[in-house]
Amino acid sequence: SQQGEEDPQALSIQEGENATMNCSYKTSINNLQWYRQNSGRGLVHLILIRSNEREKHSGRLRVTLDTSKKSSSLLITASRAADTASYFCATDRGDAGKSTFGDGTTLTVKP
Amino acid sequence: IAGITQAPTSQILAAGRRMTLRCTQDMRHNAMYWYRQDLGLGLRLIHYSNTAGTTGKGEVPDGYSVSRANTDDFPLTLASAVPSQTSVYFCASSEGQTDTQYFGPGTRLTVL
Repeated sequence: SQQGEEDPQALSIQEGENATMNCSYKTSINNLQWYRQNSGRGLVHLILIRSNEREKHSGRLRVTLDTSKKSSSLLITASRAADTASYFCATDRGDAGKSTFGDGTTLTVKP
Repeated sequence: IAGITQAPTSQILAAGRRMTLRCTQDMRHNAMYWYRQDLGLGLRLIHYSNTAGTTGKGEVPDGYSVSRANTDDFPLTLASAVPSQTSVYFCASSEGQTDTQYFGPGTRLTVL
């Protein structure tokens, strides 16, 4: 079963707007990571947040983690057409290094 | 340029044939992984290796086998391919078991 589930499944916004994607998970985690996948390509790591952290920033990305609600959010500010991609969260429970990926949020940023 | 490579890029295979997907990394990462990604879905872990000489089963291991004879290489073998194994296969590596994973470009496999 999926440990991480992204919401919404698809998101369409105008360039310049902010995009927020959410990830919920079921069991305790060691860390949570967000990845980006352009169509037909491999995944690219965006940001890692550990279970004892609540918020991290990287450029236009902001990730929050609420372990009490077992959820995380990824905010992309001032979106660009080049941000169009699928975004996945991956949870790591620390057991044998196995990360579990959700089915992703497909983001479309219209120019 | 350091990274992770996969071969072939794509392959069409007749059902029942044996196929090995290759994965090589030059980052001296300890851990390596194989995932499959079906259309419109996320990644599912097939097999993993935390260090050379060891392997483990992931979420969907049936029909696949792996070996980790050295640090750099982690081949995935389909002993007798079936149409349900049509998918895009991604190899990944990480320095440690809980570190960031770096992904290869993928192999698109079609089993007819």
